[in-house]
Amino acid sequence: DGGITQSPKYLFRKEGQNVTLSCEQNLNHDAMYWYRQDPGQGLRLIYYSQIVNDFQKGDIAEGYSVSREKKESFPLTVTSAQKNPTAFYLCASSNLVSALYEQYFGPGTRLTVT
Amino acid sequence: AQSVTQLDSQVPVFEEAPVELRCNYSSSVSVYLFWYVQYPNQGLQLLLKYLSGSTLVKGINGFEAEFNKSQTSFHLRKPSVHISDTAEYFCAAKDGDDYKLSFGAGTTVTVRA
Repeated sequence: DGGITQSPKYLFRKEGQNVTLSCEQNLNHDAMYWYRQDPGQGLRLIYYSQIVNDFQKGDIAEGYSVSREKKESFPLTVTSAQKNPTAFYLCASSNLVSALYEQYFGPGTRLTVT
Repeated sequence: AQSVTQLDSQVPVFEEAPVELRCNYSSSVSVYLFWYVQYPNQGLQLLLKYLSGSTLVKGINGFEAEFNKSQTSFHLRKPSVHISDTAEYFCAAKDGDDYKLSFGAGTTVTVRA
């Protein structure tokens, strides 16, 4: 089955530690996205990438970093500089060739930092 | 970029009753509109989308939405809800030449027996 995999589903870290969230897709999509979800705030874009080895900051990129070495993978690192890292993180992908630009979402990773 | 406003943060509704979730977007010459549903601790699933053509869009699970350009609205409706429709619903929009989606804050629908 084609889809987006995010692992792990739940992640716990101590304050001051960097943590990397995994996102893999086998949909052959060009673009990938990372969103952060907080209660009552909807989804906010952290980073996005349209092609391999290229990515752009979204609306709330401070304290986060990404890489796009392979088309299928777009890992997100939450650094110790992120002041409020506890949140639900969603990865998405879309096909840029199609005019639809519909985004497909992974199941999410819930990060808790104490 | 688009700005999306969902007018209701919480909507309680009885089973088999109709429901309407309201969504407004900022004006644009060309806009694509989407409704997503999120069940607890899961990702988002697309319910329906408006790209062009008929203003009444039908989606999965009996949902439909109407695109109203003059009112810049894209309200979601279902004539008869089930307990399983309890979830959070997000309206999203993008300009025709932009691949970034803008999301509303979400509407939590709670269906009671």
